[in-house]
Amino acid sequence: SSELTQDPVVSVALGQTVSMTCQGDSLRGYFASWYQQKPGQAPLLVIYGKNNRPSGIPDRFSGSNSGNTASLTLTGAQAEDEADYYCSSRGSRNDHLWVFGGGTKLTVL
Amino acid sequence: QVQLRQWGAGLVKPSETLSLTCAVYGGSFGGYYWNWIRQAPGKGPEWIGEIDDLGNTNKNPSLKSRVTMSVDTSKNQFSLKVTSMTAADTALYYCARVEYSDTWHYFDYWGQGTLVTVSS
Repeated sequence: SSELTQDPVVSVALGQTVSMTCQGDSLRGYFASWYQQKPGQAPLLVIYGKNNRPSGIPDRFSGSNSGNTASLTLTGAQAEDEADYYCSSRGSRNDHLWVFGGGTKLTVL
Repeated sequence: QVQLRQWGAGLVKPSETLSLTCAVYGGSFGGYYWNWIRQAPGKGPEWIGEIDDLGNTNKNPSLKSRVTMSVDTSKNQFSLKVTSMTAADTALYYCARVEYSDTWHYFDYWGQGTLVTVSS
């Protein structure tokens, strides 16, 4: 299995755009999925696949992928977007394990 | 709307076994992976393992020797047992569903979480 690396802390001014990244070898075989977690709540899926949003997720959330790096972008960050964000993917094509990134704490200023 | 509801003991003594069950409502049970994930206080999620409706399992190598998972398709439920619990196993435990295709897999529905504390 492999690991996923995320920047621990990212900040953004209200209404501005911010991107956070997730790096790992497993991302060469599988798309990352991204989860938002607010205090006291279960993780919430925000992006999956190439760049897909589940129903109910605002279109200011978007995803992209290149090589071993996945990115989550918020275009026009809102106060309610302040949360922890985790990426995740299958470990590799040779196993059926899962890995999570260490998380990025997003602060909206 | 799919819902996952989980239950089990919130307090486990050291060396004893944790038992949790997760019930699936409002959706099909077959064709998905059913997962257990835990999150220690202040930490990121840690994957424990998964089971499909046929009982096939995949487990985190770091927990494999202590983890047993089972499924009851008649009740749309799946369960987790973790033996030899220690303080390091104190965490919020979640059940979750994995939706998948050839190139993408993701956790689309989560249970409400069960806080498990290991203490005598």
